[in-house]
Formats: sequence, C-alpha cells, structure tokens
Amino acid sequence: DAKTTQPNSMESNEEEPVHLPCNHSTISGTDYIHWYRQLPSQGPEYVIHGLTSNVNNRMASLAIAEDRKSSTLILHRATLRDAAVYYCIPLWFGNEKLTFGTGTRLTIIP
Amino acid sequence: DGGITQSPKYLFRKEGQNVTLSCEQNLNHDAMYWYRQDPGQGLRLIYYSQIVNDFQKGDIAEGYSVSREKKESFPLTVTSAQKNPTAFYLCASSRSGVTNQPQHFGDGTRLSIL
Repeated sequence: DAKTTQPNSMESNEEEPVHLPCNHSTISGTDYIHWYRQLPSQGPEYVIHGLTSNVNNRMASLAIAEDRKSSTLILHRATLRDAAVYYCIPLWFGNEKLTFGTGTRLTIIP
Repeated sequence: DGGITQSPKYLFRKEGQNVTLSCEQNLNHDAMYWYRQDPGQGLRLIYYSQIVNDFQKGDIAEGYSVSREKKESFPLTVTSAQKNPTAFYLCASSRSGVTNQPQHFGDGTRLSIL
C-alpha cells in the first residue's frame, strides 16, 4: 500500500479557502486518491476522489500534482462545520479496503 | 432517508463477556465493513463482506467474529478473546463490484469495559 504524509493539524479562518496537502510519493499508477473526513464523534464521510485530473464536487476540489506524488484538497470557503479530521487514502483500482492514517485535524477559527 | 444504523451508541461490557454490535443498512449495498478506532488514531479494518454468506478477515480480526445472513445486516461480536476491546467501532457499506465507490459510515458504537 502507498504511504501518505499529512500535517497533523492545520488552522484556517472561517469563510477563507483551505488547502490540505497530502504527500503520497510511493503511489502506483493505478492508485486513486480518496479523501474522507471525520467530524467529532461521527463516522467518516466521503469527500472526493481522483486519479490524474483535478476533480470538483459540491463539497471540495482535488488538485493532483502532475507527477501524482502529492495532492491537495481544497475547501473553497471554510465554515465551522468543516472542522474535522481529513484523511488522504490511496486506493488501487479494484481494491475496496480503505487504509486510514492519522489524518489532518482542521480547526476553523470564527 | 437511506443510511447505516449502528446500535447501541454506547455499550459497556464486563470482563469475560461476549457482546454483539448491530449494523443495519438500507442502501441496498452488497459490501459491508467493520472498523475499529482507538483515540487519536485512524480506522483499522476488522472484517469485511462483499456478499451475503461470505466474509473475510481484515487487519485485526483476532478476538472478533461476524455473520452476514442478510444483505442488510452485518453484526460484529466482540469475544472475550479480544484483550483490549475498549474502542470506537464503525460500520460501513458500499456498492461492491464497482471500483472506487465511496464507503458510507454509521455513527459508531463506543464500547467500554467495566
């Protein structure tokens, strides 16, 4: 499995964009990059995933480096409800088993 | 609304007792999963099932057992053989056979030893 490195914690002001980085330098060519987040005392929630191209959905955008060794989850306008632990998870094509690291704890400052 | 229901939210167990955690989904998903989370840590996979009457061990299956008699239900039994059962247990489901489908999680059960 590809290893990931994420900052332990980050802070951001409310209503500002947030860029959450993830390093996955050992990723293979068929690994998709998934992002989940976990709000306090809840189960994780799927955010977004991608392979090579940048991806957008209603929750966030995912920017993937051209060499695929890193990616950035972008929350365009942070709200207090975005305070959570964010997990970056490489997942190879055909594999359905998620491997969670310790993620990045995002704090939103009002 | 479709989703995953885990019950109870909090559970207490005496030493030496088995305890069963419930997980029910109405999303019509084939695949279901059980994870364990310890404080400050990520989730670790205990068992998973891709179809009724079939399941596989995950990374930390020792001391746990599961059954999958119905598509909607995937109960987890924490046996007395599990030496450190105090943790947050999370159940998830997804569409099986379709690559990279997101997993949908319940709100978890917190198990504590009395």
